[in-house]
Amino acid sequence: EPEVTQTPSHQVTQMGQEVILRCVPISNHLYFYWYRQILGQKVEFLVSFYNNEISEKSEIFDDQFSVERPDGSNFTLKIRSTKLEDSAMYFCASSKRWADTDTQYFGPGTRLTVL
Amino acid sequence: KNQVEQSPQSLIILEGKNCTLQCNYTVSPFSNLRWYKQDTGRGPVSLTIMTFSENTKSNGRYTATLDADTKQSSLHITASQLSDSASYICVASGGSYIPTFGRGTSLIVHP
Repeated sequence: EPEVTQTPSHQVTQMGQEVILRCVPISNHLYFYWYRQILGQKVEFLVSFYNNEISEKSEIFDDQFSVERPDGSNFTLKIRSTKLEDSAMYFCASSKRWADTDTQYFGPGTRLTVL
Repeated sequence: KNQVEQSPQSLIILEGKNCTLQCNYTVSPFSNLRWYKQDTGRGPVSLTIMTFSENTKSNGRYTATLDADTKQSSLHITASQLSDSASYICVASGGSYIPTFGRGTSLIVHP
């Protein structure tokens, strides 16, 4: 069964460094999403992406975050200058149709640790 | 401010028993409500999706109900199994897709 994959599974970085988290959505899906979950807290929506544009973004998704679909398969989240509070599990998800009505499939997550 | 509150925070039941998890939301405008199952350290897995016009939705042993008037939803798990041990998350969305997640109910099923 097709699934969303994410790399790396764990990323450790120094505060102020740039990180890129990578996701490969399910191949025939058109809508892509990033979420984060700080340890012990609830999942939070970051951004949705369709047709090479951001569709929606939350207040968390400020200027230090960016997303890109550099080719036909990858979907990336870049954090330009990491802060300690960026330490979290980051989940990528995809859906065939718009999230409002369709099932989203989540990846296994990338655990980001900022030191 | 949009909010989703879930209860109980945690629940322990014996294998084979039924249980019901609760979700109250204040999301306006309201479009749909989802229940997810999340195993520790894994991504959420979708269980049910209900629009504002739906009252109930089933997925195997999972049955979700929705009362859009009282802004309440429940997830009923029938004949629990050890593999049901997980966090169950309620998510409400409005007109634009910026979902509001609950903190989840942690369910432990004992043999």
